[in-house]
Amino acid sequence: AQKVTQAQTEISVVEKEDVTLDCVYETRDTTYYLFWYKQPPSGELVFLIRRNSFDEQNEISGRYSWNFQKSTSSFNFTITASQVVDSAVYFCALGSGQNFVFGPGTRLSVLP
Amino acid sequence: EAQVTQNPRYLITVTGKKLTVTCSQNMNHEYMSWYRQDPGLGLRQIYYSMNVEVTDKGDVPEGYKVSRKEKRNFPLILESPSPNQTSLYFCASGERDTFYEQYFGPGTRLTVT
Repeated sequence: AQKVTQAQTEISVVEKEDVTLDCVYETRDTTYYLFWYKQPPSGELVFLIRRNSFDEQNEISGRYSWNFQKSTSSFNFTITASQVVDSAVYFCALGSGQNFVFGPGTRLSVLP
Repeated sequence: EAQVTQNPRYLITVTGKKLTVTCSQNMNHEYMSWYRQDPGLGLRQIYYSMNVEVTDKGDVPEGYKVSRKEKRNFPLILESPSPNQTSLYFCASGERDTFYEQYFGPGTRLTVT
């Protein structure tokens, strides 16, 4: 069975702090995809990044970076110099074939 | 504008009264999927469809039906809604070429009393 764990239910940081959101996944498949989505207070789901199981390169996009480590089955997300607009619920998701499993989400509050 | 639309956005109904939530996408995506979001549980996949007339169960399909008669539409049907189906529902679409990177609709908040 596939599973995604986001152990941090809620995180609060002060603006400009760096913050890392953890994601640990379980799957027996050798080919799979990992995603991060953002859900701001307005409720929509915004795609942030996709990683394939055969591509362990880390990625940086502006203040966002992602660390994919197959050895520890983790796909962590770091926001550098956080801003109030980063306040949202962040979901990590695992896809295999056409089936997707989402983690329970981490609520990030960035205080001014 | 590329988008996934859902209707209605909000719905309050009573137990047992059949309802349909529509979902439509204008991106010509093959893949469409329905999820429900509940506090502390994240999103759980209800049904998905790889193409017209091809549907498969996700992790929580009980109490739901879907159909895919046209590529752009993927309605979610609750034949006899119950209070435990009170939830926030999202429709999504994507393409195999992008490993099913999904675009989500705005969500439908359903309350069953």
